[in-house]
Amino acid sequence: KQEVTQIPAALSVPEGENLVLNCSFTDSAIYNLQWFRQDPGKGLTSLLLIQSSQREQTSGRLNASLDKSSGRSTLYIAASQPGDSATYLCAVLTQGGSEKLVFGKGTKLTVNP
Amino acid sequence: DAGVIQSPRHEVTEMGQEVTLRCKPISGHNSLFWYRQTMMRGLELLIYFNNNVPIDDSGMPEDRFSAKMPNASFSTLKIQPSEPRDSAVYFCASSWDRSSYEQYFGPGTRLTVT
Repeated sequence: KQEVTQIPAALSVPEGENLVLNCSFTDSAIYNLQWFRQDPGKGLTSLLLIQSSQREQTSGRLNASLDKSSGRSTLYIAASQPGDSATYLCAVLTQGGSEKLVFGKGTKLTVNP
Repeated sequence: DAGVIQSPRHEVTEMGQEVTLRCKPISGHNSLFWYRQTMMRGLELLIYFNNNVPIDDSGMPEDRFSAKMPNASFSTLKIQPSEPRDSAVYFCASSWDRSSYEQYFGPGTRLTVT
């Protein structure tokens, strides 16, 4: 059974700092991995999707990497801003034909001005 | 496109009452997902449909929960009878891309059962 863990559960940083959020998964037979952002009281917004054959994806100040063999992904946020404050969720789609996403519990990020 | 639409956004009901949550997926999307989010358990898949057919309902907690998708543009999640432990945020998501399977989420329905 796939399990996804995100560490730390919460992170507080000063504005301008570069930071890394971590995600680990137990079954390396994944089809892809997605990073989402969730603002309080809102739905999930997809940030980056990495296919199993890829090592990383970049979008603006965000960079996500994937090491399938070790069961790890990181989300790197450069030059953090107060507007980056949100909960970041990692989710994996396991191989086998199912469309079932398995989510971590998220990292709550606070960027202080 | 308006995105995934869910209604109501908030629902407060008493224990024992029937609750119906509604979802309209993005037009053209052929997979629809119902998730539940709680502080304790995080975000969990309850059920998903492909081309209006239920594919995986292993996450449905018990017989009090049922979901239907009568057509490509509408789905319901029903809880009957509701219990306080059903209090959570329920999300609907849809997808269409057969290569990435990227899912697009609605704003959620916050359910409180007293």
